Amino acid sequence: DVKVTQSSRYLVKRTGEKVFLECVQDMDHENMFWYRQDPGLGLRLIYFSYDVKMKEKGDIPEGYSVSREKKERFSLILESASTNQTSMYLCASSFWVRGGTGELFFGEGSRLTVL
Amino acid sequence: QKEVEQDPGPLSVPEGAIVSLNCTYSNSAFQYFMWYRQYSRKGPELLMYTYSSGNKEDGRFTAQVDKSSKYISLFIRDSQPSDSATYLCAMRALTGGGNKLTFGTGTQLKVEL
Repeated sequence: DVKVTQSSRYLVKRTGEKVFLECVQDMDHENMFWYRQDPGLGLRLIYFSYDVKMKEKGDIPEGYSVSREKKERFSLILESASTNQTSMYLCASSFWVRGGTGELFFGEGSRLTVL
Repeated sequence: QKEVEQDPGPLSVPEGAIVSLNCTYSNSAFQYFMWYRQYSRKGPELLMYTYSSGNKEDGRFTAQVDKSSKYISLFIRDSQPSDSATYLCAMRALTGGGNKLTFGTGTQLKVEL
């Protein structure tokens, strides 16, 4: 079974704190993604990575950064958390296929509340 | 205007009903069309995957793509309470797009006994 593991299911942080969300996949996937999911807005791509040390901005990168030092691990960093970053964060991974992304495998999500 | 539009619901149906879930899109470059199912407090998982136009059937589920109308559908026959979930459509172009999928907002479905 493909497994994408997100380190924390629920987090509560204060405004201005630095937040790390960790994601590990065990299928040797090239691609890894971070999304946030909000009611009425659906899934929005924050950042993705198609190789170690490579990263690309998604649709809403502002206020976030990422790190991919190893193929299996992709971290999302909120340098200074704000209340509008309260959301469900979903990590996903996939093989690279011709033309782009194959099937995405998602983790169970990290629900972040910023007070 | 969003590239992919999907009615958020919620949609409530009795057990055994035929369910129709739909998405419209504006980007004519989209060639791959997917439906993901997301149970409460879980991540989405791929349900069906189709390329270009046509139908694809898998058990009680049928995915349809009409590229001329830029419209995709997911039909669920003999719906069960276990089908209660949020269904997200997703699509991408054949090449380019930076390996990205574009998702609809999801339709929440509840199948009642």
